Amino acid sequence: DIQMTQSPSTLSASVGDRVTITCRASQSISSWLAWYQQKPGKAPKLLIYKASSLESGVPSRFSGSGSGTEFTLTISSLQPDDFATYYCQQYISYSGNTFGQGTKLEIK
Amino acid sequence: EVQLVESGGGLIQPGGSLRLSCAASGFTVSSNYMSWVRQAPGKGLEWVSVLYSGGNTYYADSVEGRFTISRDNSKNTLYLQMNSLRAEDTAVYYCAKWNLVGSNALDVWGQGTTVTVSS
Repeated sequence: DIQMTQSPSTLSASVGDRVTITCRASQSISSWLAWYQQKPGKAPKLLIYKASSLESGVPSRFSGSGSGTEFTLTISSLQPDDFATYYCQQYISYSGNTFGQGTKLEIK
Repeated sequence: EVQLVESGGGLIQPGGSLRLSCAASGFTVSSNYMSWVRQAPGKGLEWVSVLYSGGNTYYADSVEGRFTISRDNSKNTLYLQMNSLRAEDTAVYYCAKWNLVGSNALDVWGQGTTVTVSS
């Protein structure tokens, strides 16, 4: 199985900050990576797919980059609504997709 | 509106069985790839199973042989039959749709249904 490792596990930041979350795959997944945002008690929401494509309706302050084994999610200017937990997911195969352990973005 | 609504969760004793349902609206379940994803209390997301439009099914090692994913085309509903339940199966279970045309990711999720395995 392909393992996904996110860092950091927790990130403290302020409104207006630029933040970056990293996701590393245990083997190459090309660009088959998605990022999801999850708020407490809610279902995950797709933000970024194929490593760098923005899902329709998602604010442009969210961006993704990377390929192979190293990926990043960047929020250019944090808004109050962005404090949540973020997960990466590799889906090079639908039948063996895996999620990272999550990054909790907290208010500093 | 494209929507998924799960039901069927509850409190069940270890070794018991439960069937989760996921009713879809706004799209056809049988034409899409559908998955179940779970989240144990305070933990991250774990993929559980996928059902392809062609009927192939796949499972995580942790549930292989105990869980069965299926669908009822006439009801446009996805199911997860869970047998031989264990305490570690306690989680919120989400059904989700894979977008095969654009993102190829899980673009529609249900609100989740909670399964608690405890004596």
